[in-house]
Amino acid sequence: KNEVEQSPQNLTAQEGEFITINCSYSVGISALHWLQQHPGGGIVSLFMLSSGKKKHGRLIATINIQEKHSSLHITASHPRDSAVYICAPSGGSNYKLTFGKGTLLTVNP
Amino acid sequence: EAQVTQNPRYLITVTGKKLTVTCSQNMNHEYMSWYRQDPGLGLRQIYYSMNVEVTDKGDVPEGYKVSRKEKRNFPLILESPSPNQTSLYFCASQGEGRTIGTEAFFGQGTRLTVV
Repeated sequence: KNEVEQSPQNLTAQEGEFITINCSYSVGISALHWLQQHPGGGIVSLFMLSSGKKKHGRLIATINIQEKHSSLHITASHPRDSAVYICAPSGGSNYKLTFGKGTLLTVNP
Repeated sequence: EAQVTQNPRYLITVTGKKLTVTCSQNMNHEYMSWYRQDPGLGLRQIYYSMNVEVTDKGDVPEGYKVSRKEKRNFPLILESPSPNQTSLYFCASQGEGRTIGTEAFFGQGTRLTVV
């Protein structure tokens, strides 16, 4: 069993829809990162959180440490949100990231 | 502007020809790491460094070397590249923060092809 499970693997939405990507992990963590990767592009950090909820613009990330689960929500999705979203818990003294396989999001106009 | 700079962005080389991928960060971060990304396998850690002269193996270190002589630089060295090292490579850095580190900053990626 993978240490980090993301769902869904692929997601297609219409512009304006509310998006949810889920991440479950089995490793002990001190924090969890949500990353965004555009096709052929680099990786950008969206959030790092260790408890509760964070919001940046239309993006919201939540984490439940007891249930070992995190969600990334996108409100009013837009075609420019089309990308791969990667969940990466981190833990231990070396801040090591353990990556999920990613969720490919396609938002159609 | 806070950034991690990797070079080169693209590289095609032949089996056995030593190469170095450079990585530099301007945020005075203590922690730096190298990852490779392969289809179906996702991102995997190759090596990491907690500070100058402190490096350690990640999950897939075979065939790679690193050094950390200065805080800002963390080059990845392939002494004798082989075709199975064809991959997309990312360098990343994080600060120490309070106890959990800071957000991770990634380089633009290096697409390496070994023929």
